[in-house]
Order: sequence, then structure tokens, then C-alpha cells
Amino acid sequence: GIQVEQSPPDLILQEGANSTLRCNFSDSVNNLQWFHQNPWGQLINLFYIPSGTKQNGRLSATTVATERYSLLYISSSQTTDSGVYFCASNYGGSQGNLIFGKGTKLSVKP
Amino acid sequence: DGGITQSPKYLFRKEGQNVTLSCEQNLNHDAMYWYRQDPGQGLRLIYYSQIVNDFQKGDIAEGYSVSREKKESFPLTVTSAQKNPTAFYLCASSPRVTGELFFGEGSRLTVL
Repeated sequence: GIQVEQSPPDLILQEGANSTLRCNFSDSVNNLQWFHQNPWGQLINLFYIPSGTKQNGRLSATTVATERYSLLYISSSQTTDSGVYFCASNYGGSQGNLIFGKGTKLSVKP
Repeated sequence: DGGITQSPKYLFRKEGQNVTLSCEQNLNHDAMYWYRQDPGQGLRLIYYSQIVNDFQKGDIAEGYSVSREKKESFPLTVTSAQKNPTAFYLCASSPRVTGELFFGEGSRLTVL
């Protein structure tokens, strides 16, 4: 089945810094999502991005499906950006059956 | 407001007891899912349902059971056959066409 690998596993930033998180997947996909898990455990949708580029405020994401990777950019980071970022990609016949990477744990220091 | 509601948020049970976690959505989504998360890990799929009265096993279905009698509801029962039930359980739903997942707030189960 599909393998989803995220890097780096851990990232520590000073407030105001920029960062790039990477997600590699082992097979072609037609569903790629980025999530932020807050300290209380809730998973918040960031992007649904099977291909192309999207932006939402200080966050943007790019998926290059032909090269099997996706990038999440965080600019001018804030302490509230701390948490774990997951990418997930589908497998099988159902578009919603997602395989999750192990996540990138981001800590933003004031 | 539209969303996914999971209950209870915290649950303690003794070994050998079954427990049922509730998941309700009012997003009119066709598909619903249950995922399990262990500390420091990603999510793993337990069961999913794409339509009422139908569901399929995910990667780690052993020791769990589900039902899908209504479009809005997808309860998960953690049975005594589940060897390591202590975990964080997340319910999700998606429109069938895109498969974009939306999650509830989760239920944290601890077996004493």
C-alpha cells in the first residue's frame, strides 16, 4: 500500500521565522490533505490539495503529484502554530481512506 | 453549526468491558470513518462506511465493531477482545466525491 513519509519529525522555531514541511508519498494519489493537531488533540483541516498550490493566510501548500510530494509553508510563525502537522493520502477505492504520515511536531518559541 | 460530535470526550473502563463511542454528523456526508491514534503516532483506520447499512474493515479492525443504521450516526464499540484499547479515537466524515475528511474532537479511552 501507499507509504507516507514526513520530514522533519521535529522542528523548533523562533516566533516570526518561516518553515517548510515536506510529505513524500510512494504512489499516485487523488487525495492529499494537510492537518494541524492542536494540543487538545483536535485535527484541523488546513488544505485539501491533490495537486497545485493553495494559500490561506500565512499558510500555503503545494502538491506536485507527478513527483509524489507535497510541501506546507508556514510564514511568520506564531506560538499558536505549535502542534503536530500531518499529511495524509488516500489508497484503495474510497477517496476518504487516508494513510497518515507520522507527523512533524512543531514548537514555536516566543 | 454543522459539524461532527463525538461523545464522551473521556472514558474509563475496566478490562473485560465493552464500551461504545458515539459519533454524529450533520454535514450530510455520505462516508464516515473511525481512526485510532496512539501517543506520538499517526492515525490508523479502524472501520469506514460509505453508505447506510454498509461498512468495511480498515487496517486494525480486530476487537472493534460498528453499525451504520442512519446516515448521521456511526458508533464504534470497543470490545473486550481488543488487546490494547487505551488510545485516542477520532471519528471523521467526508463527501463521497472528494473524500476530504473532517474530524470530530476525539474520544480518549483509558482502560484501567
